[in-house]
Amino acid sequence: DIVMTQSPSSLAVTAGEKVTMRCKSSQSLLWSVNQNNYLSWYQQKQGQPPKLLIYGASIRESWVPDRFTGSGSGTDFTLTISNVHAEDLAVYYCQHNHGSFLPHTFGGGTKLEIK
Amino acid sequence: EVKLVESGGGLVQPGGSLRLSCATSGFTFTDYYMSWVRQPPGKALEWLGFIRNKANGYTTEYSASVKGRFTISRDNSQSILYLQMNTLRAEDSATYYCARDGGITRYYAMDYWGQGTSVTVSS
Repeated sequence: DIVMTQSPSSLAVTAGEKVTMRCKSSQSLLWSVNQNNYLSWYQQKQGQPPKLLIYGASIRESWVPDRFTGSGSGTDFTLTISNVHAEDLAVYYCQHNHGSFLPHTFGGGTKLEIK
Repeated sequence: EVKLVESGGGLVQPGGSLRLSCATSGFTFTDYYMSWVRQPPGKALEWLGFIRNKANGYTTEYSASVKGRFTISRDNSQSILYLQMNTLRAEDSATYYCARDGGITRYYAMDYWGQGTSVTVSS
């Protein structure tokens, strides 16, 4: 199974700051046929289901503000939130969606707290 | 509007069975893979498995932790997804979510989720 490792497990920032969280996969999520990375990010606020934030490593869902940026390729990925807002308080999970590898495992999550 | 609504959760004794349902609307059900994901209290998400779409023969895949105990099925006439859970253990206690696999346009990420249904396995 592909292991997804997220770091840090939690972090606390002040509103307006920039934050970066990481997701590392034990195997490459880049499909050589189309050069796409099959990595997604989800945001889960307290008491709510997860919401898809980013797919294909860097493509934002339509509802996502442009202060959220996904980047990376292969085995190393990052989610950056510039100018953090209080409403960004949540746990962020990465997941691999590569069709050749099952299960589609999630990372352990990064809990974002606002000071 | 896409909607997914889970039901069927509750308290069950160890070794017991439970069937969860996920009623869907707002999209062509047979076009999509559908997944189940669970989350124990205070813990991370765990992918349980999916059932493929009509074009892929409605075949299923499971995580090792539930394979042989859980069965995913779908009623395409009513757009309902099911999760049959047998031989339940305490460690199966969690909130269970159904989710739609967004397909090729979403790089197979889960683009819509239900609100979840809670399962507690305890004597």
